[in-house]
Amino acid sequence: GAVVSQHPSRVICKSGTSVKIECRSLDFQATTMFWYRQFPKQSLMLMATSNEGSKATYEQGVEKDKFLINHASLTLSTLTVTSAHPEDSSFYICSARSSWGGIQETQYFGPGTRLLVL
Amino acid sequence: GEDVEQSLFLSVREGDSSVINCTYTDSSSTYLYWYKQEPGAGLQLLTYIFSNMDMKQDQRLTVLLNKKDKHLSLRIADTQTGDSAIYFCAESNDYKLSFGAGTTVTVRA
Repeated sequence: GAVVSQHPSRVICKSGTSVKIECRSLDFQATTMFWYRQFPKQSLMLMATSNEGSKATYEQGVEKDKFLINHASLTLSTLTVTSAHPEDSSFYICSARSSWGGIQETQYFGPGTRLLVL
Repeated sequence: GEDVEQSLFLSVREGDSSVINCTYTDSSSTYLYWYKQEPGAGLQLLTYIFSNMDMKQDQRLTVLLNKKDKHLSLRIADTQTGDSAIYFCAESNDYKLSFGAGTTVTVRA
């Protein structure tokens, strides 16, 4: 149980294009999903918290117009990197928190999406 | 994150026990977690402990929590080559996780 998938697993794009990353909770409903960014050999940096049906809450320093988050259902959140530039190249990981049962503070992580902007 | 600190590297011989240490600063943390990350992958939840517990054992994993000193440790018994990975300690407060920088565990034959 508690499986989270991400798609695509890796993407290469040209500078200036937009890239959409999907995060799905496969066997549970997720009240809240989180988007993280991880640089090589570093920890995870929380970018934003996404609640189903409402606007995402962005962490300080994260541009909401550049990183668009949509959480249209209890099992799907998307992150769109708009007008991507080489400095946006990173490993993006989502996580989901269950809306029922278990330890509701526990986050289950997706496998990550490697983005390379040329 | 700067609120959670871990040693960066640990080398251990196969079959020995590994102990990974973590300190945190937020005394109101409700849960503390250990996650494992293999190369190019996401984070796998290994175990967690509620803040009012001082020990939790789960097969080869033992978590010790010293709430007074805000110190958390993860012991892996009979360490195997498949245990080579980065281990992240995380504290939970208000449904947000704060991560340490990760401890890279290398298991040598």
